[in-house]
Amino acid sequence: QKEVEQNSGPLSVPEGAIASLNCTYSDRGSQSFFWYRQYSGKSPELIMSIYSNGDKEDGRFTAQLNKASQYVSLLIRDSQPSDSATYLCAAPGYSSASKIIFGSGTRLSIRP
Amino acid sequence: EPEVTQTPSHQVTQMGQEVILRCVPISNHLYFYWYRQILGQKVEFLVSFYNNEISEKSEIFDDQFSVERPDGSNFTLKIRSTKLEDSAMYFCASSEAPTGGGAEAFFGQGTRLTVV
Repeated sequence: QKEVEQNSGPLSVPEGAIASLNCTYSDRGSQSFFWYRQYSGKSPELIMSIYSNGDKEDGRFTAQLNKASQYVSLLIRDSQPSDSATYLCAAPGYSSASKIIFGSGTRLSIRP
Repeated sequence: EPEVTQTPSHQVTQMGQEVILRCVPISNHLYFYWYRQILGQKVEFLVSFYNNEISEKSEIFDDQFSVERPDGSNFTLKIRSTKLEDSAMYFCASSEAPTGGGAEAFFGQGTRLTVV
């Protein structure tokens, strides 16, 4: 059974700083990864997907993938109070065409 | 911007009753999913649906659950005889291509089911 592991937090970061969120996965065959943001009581919202080793940038967000070490991270630059949420790392299910396995999420709190 | 819509937003039902949760996926998407999230826990996969049939289901998706695409737009999840432990947020999602291949899934706002 594929596992996606995250530190549950909470991670507290001052406004304007860089927030770094990490995720490890157990299946070396995983090819793609997703970061979702989930506000309390709301649905997961896709922030970024990454398929290749290295960095992928989108605005203030950078996803990093290291397949050799089996980790994926999300950096949020210039953190804003509105970034306070739970961030879910996810990967497609092992040998599955059609499901996503979610981590338990990291709670991020941006303090003013 | 296209979005997945779910109704109702909140459903309260008595234990043993049947409930139907409804979803309208994004119109050009072909793959549909139901996930659930018990309060404070992970988002868990329930079932995926493609070409008018279930393509995959989890251990959670037992005989109490069923899915249907009754027309060209709706996608429903039925729970036949609800239990207290079915209380959760249920999310519908859709994608253009299989998420196993890396396609992005878009989630609806969820239905909060409370079984009393």
